[in-house]
Amino acid sequence: TQLLEQSPQFLSIQEGENLTVYCNSSSVFSSLQWYRQEPGEGPVLLVTVVTGGEVKKLKRLTFQFGDARKDSSLHITAAQPGDTGLYLCAGADSWGKLQFGAGTQVVVTP
Amino acid sequence: DAGITQSPRHKVTETGTPVTLRCHQTENHRYMYWYRQDPGHGLRLIHYSYGVKDTDKGEVSDGYSVSRSKTEDFLLTLESATSSQTSVYFCAIRPSGLNTGELFFGEGSRLTVL
Repeated sequence: TQLLEQSPQFLSIQEGENLTVYCNSSSVFSSLQWYRQEPGEGPVLLVTVVTGGEVKKLKRLTFQFGDARKDSSLHITAAQPGDTGLYLCAGADSWGKLQFGAGTQVVVTP
Repeated sequence: DAGITQSPRHKVTETGTPVTLRCHQTENHRYMYWYRQDPGHGLRLIHYSYGVKDTDKGEVSDGYSVSRSKTEDFLLTLESATSSQTSVYFCAIRPSGLNTGELFFGEGSRLTVL
């Protein structure tokens, strides 16, 4: 059973366009993380959000944690080919145990 | 760089044979994890360790065992590999002191069971 639902599963856009990836759950999380994974490599942590309503920015990436700490979104502004990858969200319970979403494959073409 | 090395990186084996994957870390982190990654399922936890000789099961532990005799090494063993265990296996560490669950992953071990 997948407790964290990511949408869309796949996203293909042109360079310069914006995109948003969603991560939704019926469970409340103590914190939520976003990872990016490139082919043949392990996931790499991008950000952790902890407080309901929190917004974090990492260059052209904006992460938001829902007020109820059940959902999150990742928005990329003016996407570049280097943003191509599999984006994974992961929710942590109070013990720090993670539940991962299935991932969103993002392809940015020049 | 979290100092995590997985070996082997690629392995092809036959059904019924034993397989051991090794995860080595250089920074003495207490928590280590083994995940498998399959299309449509994301990352699923197999086993984890919270210290030498202290291990516990994850959500997909059937058919797998682990051992941790030293802080730096966490071994994942498939006693008798099956085709359903064809997957990419990732080792991860959780830096001590972080209680938000953030993980740092190795580069993965791709296992094919024929």
